[in-house]
Parts: sequence; C-alpha cells; structure tokens
Amino acid sequence: DARVTQTPRHKVTEMGQEVTMRCQPILGHNTVFWYRQTMMQGLELLAYFRNRAPLDDSGMPKDRFSAEMPDATLATLKIQPSEPRDSAVYFCASGLVYTDSNQPQHFGDGTRLSIL
Amino acid sequence: AQSVAQPEDQVKVAEGNPLTVKCTYSVSGNPYLFWYVQYPNRGLQFLLKYITGDNLVKGSYGFEAEFNKSQTSFHLKKPSALVSDSALYFCAVRPNLMDTGRRALTFGSGTRLQVQP
Repeated sequence: DARVTQTPRHKVTEMGQEVTMRCQPILGHNTVFWYRQTMMQGLELLAYFRNRAPLDDSGMPKDRFSAEMPDATLATLKIQPSEPRDSAVYFCASGLVYTDSNQPQHFGDGTRLSIL
Repeated sequence: AQSVAQPEDQVKVAEGNPLTVKCTYSVSGNPYLFWYVQYPNRGLQFLLKYITGDNLVKGSYGFEAEFNKSQTSFHLKKPSALVSDSALYFCAVRPNLMDTGRRALTFGSGTRLQVQP
C-alpha cells in the first residue's frame, strides 16, 4: 500500500531552535495538507498545497512557521524560532483533489514535537 | 463557514453491543462527509464517506454511517463492537467543491470509543 511518510517521528529540542519536519506524499497525489494535533485544540489545519502551490496557510502563525514544497515528492514545515507552545503532533496528509473530487486524504503517522 | 460537532468526548460500549458515534455538521450547499479513525501513535485512517445517493454508507471494518439531511447528521454505527474498535474517531465535512468556500476538510473534535470486554 502507498503511504505518506513523515520524518522524524519524534523530535525533542530546546526553545529557540529551528525545527524542520518533512513529508513524502503519495506519488500522484496533487494536494498536500499540514495539520497540528493537540489535546486542547484538537486537529487544526495549518496549510495546504495544490500542485506544489500554496492555497491556504491561514491556519499557520506566519511569523515563525513556513511551509514549502521544493518538489512533488517533498513537503516541509519549518518552525523558527520554536516555542514550548508549538509542542504537538504534526501530521501531513495527501490526496487527489479536483473540483468534483471526493477522494479521502491519506495521513502520515505524524511527527511528535516537544519543545523544552 | 463549515463546521462539525461531535457532541460526545467519549463513548463506552460492551463488546458485542451496537455502537453509535454521533456527528452533526453545518455547511453551505451539499456536503461531502467523512469518518476517520485514529489509533494510538498513528495518523488518521479513512473509514467511509458520503457523497450522494443512498443515505446508508458502508465502510471499512464493518462500520457504516447514516446521512440524515433534515437533521444534518452523519452518525457512525456498527452492529457489534469489538475491543479492537477502541480508538479516536473523527467526523469531517467538506462542501461540494462547486460551491464557494473552503476546499479543505473541517474535522470534528473527535470521540474516544472504548469497547469493554
């Protein structure tokens, strides 16, 4: 089965450090999503890309977060500088989304981030 | 704006009994509705979806969901629960993409299902 791959699975670092999370979407999928999951806020959409172009990043704190797709096989989410409140599980998902598409998103297993 | 409500944080059922996890939604136009399941330390896995047609949708692992337009609900059901069904369940909605508005899924807050032996 094709899967979305996220690295690293776990990351512990000190506040102020740069954090980079990577995602390899399923080959052929045209849309990539980044979500953040916390106990308090649940699952939040941070940003998503269609055909590598950013479509919506309104859920992302822009002063410290950035998301990019350098190529079709790699999506990155960076936090600089990191803060303790960024501690969460970050999920990447990919899917085929067109005007009349109803295909489900496929999720990776997440990056569990702890900022000390 | 689209929204999803899962009114129960937790549902407990005995193994072998039927289960229902509730979901109501609000969206402009016709909705696309989804259920996902999350096991510990894993990402969300797709269970089933409603697009159009028959109001009763069948999905993976014996789950089904009933779409009720008048009540704007999409409850997840299973006739006989298994201990292995214990997990976190998310309902999600997206408007028909021909309508204006957000094209990404909006997820509910999740319901933790606990099936007791």
